[in-house]
Amino acid sequence: QLQLQESGPGLVKPSETLSLTCTVSGGSISSRNYYWGWIRQPPEKGLEWIGSMYYSGSTYYNPSLKSRVAIFLDTSKNQFSLELSSVTAADTGVYYCARHIINPRVSDWFDPWGQGTLVTVSS
Amino acid sequence: QSVLTQPPSASGTPGQRVTISCSGSSSNIGSNTVNWYQQLPGTAPKVLIYTNNQRPSGVPDRFSGSKSGTSASLAISGLQSEDEADYYCSTWDDSLNGPVFGGGTKLTVL
Repeated sequence: QLQLQESGPGLVKPSETLSLTCTVSGGSISSRNYYWGWIRQPPEKGLEWIGSMYYSGSTYYNPSLKSRVAIFLDTSKNQFSLELSSVTAADTGVYYCARHIINPRVSDWFDPWGQGTLVTVSS
Repeated sequence: QSVLTQPPSASGTPGQRVTISCSGSSSNIGSNTVNWYQQLPGTAPKVLIYTNNQRPSGVPDRFSGSKSGTSASLAISGLQSEDEADYYCSTWDDSLNGPVFGGGTKLTVL
């Protein structure tokens, strides 16, 4: 059974870089069938997709965040990571990692999701 | 302001049938399939319906999805107290070149 677990600092200072890691167990991130993505949820608000990456390096990023976002895969550790630079209070929220199933021009969905980790941007 | 529009709230009594709508445009729902996620209080979202009307194993058949044109709906029949949660629709947006979510609907079981 595939499981994902986020980890990283719960507090980041404004203007600094938010860094999170997602550890995958029960399956390989090198699988040819799946992307690996990040989604966030500000307090008391809805979901926002951040970006997704394929094992080959192919990426999709949300255009509203693209200039500040990078996603990396570490196949040796079966982990993938998120970096979000120049953070502000608006970047506060729960960050989820998830397997992103993409069938181009047909369908896409996220399953399963990690439990999420709260990141607060504050000095 | 979400790309997909959902009613902020919905409610029903145990045993009732409830529907939640999701409205989009030709660049998203109109040309791609729709998914629905359930987020129970304090937990991560989980996929409830994918590709318009497919249920993952373990999801009761009380939950069903449909799509028509640029709108989609989630129907929950035989409403139960444990269905009280936030529900989000999602689809791929061709203009964004990525997935988008609705603002979410908070379902209350009275």
